[in-house]
Amino acid sequence: GAVVSQHPSWVICKSGTSVKIECRSLDFQATTMFWYRQFPKQSLMLMATSNEGSKATYEQGVEKDKFLINHASLTLSTLTVTSAHPEDSSFYICSASGFPQLSGRAPTHNEQFFGPGTRLTVL
Amino acid sequence: QQQVKQSPQSLIVQKGGISIINCAYENTAFDYFPWYQQFPGKGPALLIAIRPDVSEKKEGRFTISFNKSAKQFSLHIMDSQPGDSATYFCAASNSGGSNYKLTFGKGTLLTVNP
Repeated sequence: GAVVSQHPSWVICKSGTSVKIECRSLDFQATTMFWYRQFPKQSLMLMATSNEGSKATYEQGVEKDKFLINHASLTLSTLTVTSAHPEDSSFYICSASGFPQLSGRAPTHNEQFFGPGTRLTVL
Repeated sequence: QQQVKQSPQSLIVQKGGISIINCAYENTAFDYFPWYQQFPGKGPALLIAIRPDVSEKKEGRFTISFNKSAKQFSLHIMDSQPGDSATYFCAASNSGGSNYKLTFGKGTLLTVNP
């Protein structure tokens, strides 16, 4: 249980275009989703936190108009990189926390389950 | 106050040996300490986690040791295998904080030689 998927797994786009990345919790209700970016050989950097049905909370230094986050349902959050530029090329990873839809596993506070990541390359 | 310091940055261990990675934190409000394993090109996977009410937690070959007074916790990998070669991240969060945000260490690249 507690599986998170991301789509696409990789994307290459031209500078100036927008790219949407989807994050889905497959077997639990994700009350909170997190978006991270990770540069090669570095740690994860939290970009924003979103709760279902409300606006995302962005970390300091992250442009909310450039990285649009939507958490419209308990199983889906999207990150749209608008007017992407080469410096936006990175590995984007989502994570989710919440409560299981299937019985047998009690929810654990703080636990975050990560997606497999999306490699974005902007030419 | 939010920093988690992780060491070493890289670690090379022979097959069958013990791998030890250490983390130290500053924020005494942290009450959840997970370790994540990440393979190249993949998202992090939760390996094992501990809360401050216990000093040690063991799951298979993986053990977390926790020292609340020293504000330190460590990951021990017993009988290390080449398949354990990955980057390991420690993290910490505060149940009373906003949305349980995780603060990550900078990671340790573990290489287990056959």
